Amino acid sequence: AQKVTQAQTEISVVEKEDVTLDCVYETRDTTYYLFWYKQPPSGELVFLIRRNSFDEQNEISGRYSWNFQKSTSSFNFTITASQVVDSAVYFCALSDSPWAGQGGSEKLVFGKGTKLTVNP
Amino acid sequence: NAGVTQTPKFQVLKTGQSMTLQCAQDMNHEYMSWYRQDPGMGLRLIHYSVGAGITDQGEVPNGYNVSRSTTEDFPLRLLSAAPSQTSVYFCASSPGLRVTYEQYFGPGTRLTVT
Repeated sequence: AQKVTQAQTEISVVEKEDVTLDCVYETRDTTYYLFWYKQPPSGELVFLIRRNSFDEQNEISGRYSWNFQKSTSSFNFTITASQVVDSAVYFCALSDSPWAGQGGSEKLVFGKGTKLTVNP
Repeated sequence: NAGVTQTPKFQVLKTGQSMTLQCAQDMNHEYMSWYRQDPGMGLRLIHYSVGAGITDQGEVPNGYNVSRSTTEDFPLRLLSAAPSQTSVYFCASSPGLRVTYEQYFGPGTRLTVT
């Protein structure tokens, strides 16, 4: 069964600190997709990144970087030089839905989220 | 582009009442979906659609109906509201035809059932 664990419920840092949000997943499939979403205090959900199981390259986007390690079933998210605007709840999600025609139902499993507070 | 819009933003219902949550998108996405978010939990998929006239159930479909008559609109109907349906509801659309593609979310509807 699919499962996403975000063990850090809340993290508090001071501005300019680096912070890593952990995500550990479980799936029996060899083909799957991992996501990170941000939910700021205003409540909307913002897509950050999508990664498929065949692409283990780390990704960097500005101050954000992602470390995907299949050996440890982890997809961790690091914010470098954090800013107050990074304060939000961050969700990691997993989907191993089969391709159309192979049966099964759509399923996107979210972790419970990590609340990040960046203090000035 | 307005993206994904949802109405209303807030709603209070009494047990047994019915209502429709509206969702529209102007990105010409074929895939649309509804999620609910409960405190301390992530999001759970209720229903989804891969195009006009095609809908299917997600993880938690009981108590909800959907229809998709146009590409733009994907309303969610609560047939007989129950306190267990108190939640924040998010509509999303996607440029792909599977949940394995990134989702673009609306602002959410906060529903309270008393």
